[in-house]
Amino acid sequence: QQQVKQSPQSLIVQKGGISIINCAYENTAFDYFPWYQQFPGKGPALLIAIRPDVSEKKEGRFTISFNKSAKQFSLHIMDSQPGDSATYFCAASGGGADGLTFGKGTHLIIQP
Amino acid sequence: DADVTQTPRNRITKTGKRIMLECSQTKGHDRMYWYRQDPGLGLRLIYYSFDVKDINKGEISDGYSVSRQAQAKFSLSLESAIPNQTALYFCATGPTGTGDTQYFGPGTRLTVL
Repeated sequence: QQQVKQSPQSLIVQKGGISIINCAYENTAFDYFPWYQQFPGKGPALLIAIRPDVSEKKEGRFTISFNKSAKQFSLHIMDSQPGDSATYFCAASGGGADGLTFGKGTHLIIQP
Repeated sequence: DADVTQTPRNRITKTGKRIMLECSQTKGHDRMYWYRQDPGLGLRLIYYSFDVKDINKGEISDGYSVSRQAQAKFSLSLESAIPNQTALYFCATGPTGTGDTQYFGPGTRLTVL
């Protein structure tokens, strides 16, 4: 049972464009939704996270949009740069289940 | 993150061998986790521990065991390795409280022949 569905699997965006990655969850008890960024040969690193009491959170060029009724959340990367090329994972936790439940990841390539 | 270290970083072993992967952290966190990453599958939770006396199974614990030797050390063992356990293994730590940030180590690439 996949509790967090992530799309697309891969994404190519031109430098300066907006990258958008979407996730949907099933467990309504989830109450913490982080996004992780992973570069080749490295462990995932927290990028930005949101809780369901707000609909949007912005940190620099990165924004999470959260739709509680639709059970969806998305990551927007504004003014995408080649250095943003990485694999991005959405995740969720809460509701008595410990540890993070991850989406399958999105391989993002920013073309110069 | 240098605060979470994993050894070895790479390991090649044969089917049936016992393997131990080690994780240590200097963050002082109570909670430690082991995840497995497979291409196209994301990361899946194997085991987690809230403190030295607490061990819990995750989504995919079959074929694995763990030991929490100290607050700072959490090891993962494969009692009898099999080829489908070939994967990237990540240790993570986190402060007490569900949903708090988890800090990941650099990973161990394990190949079972």
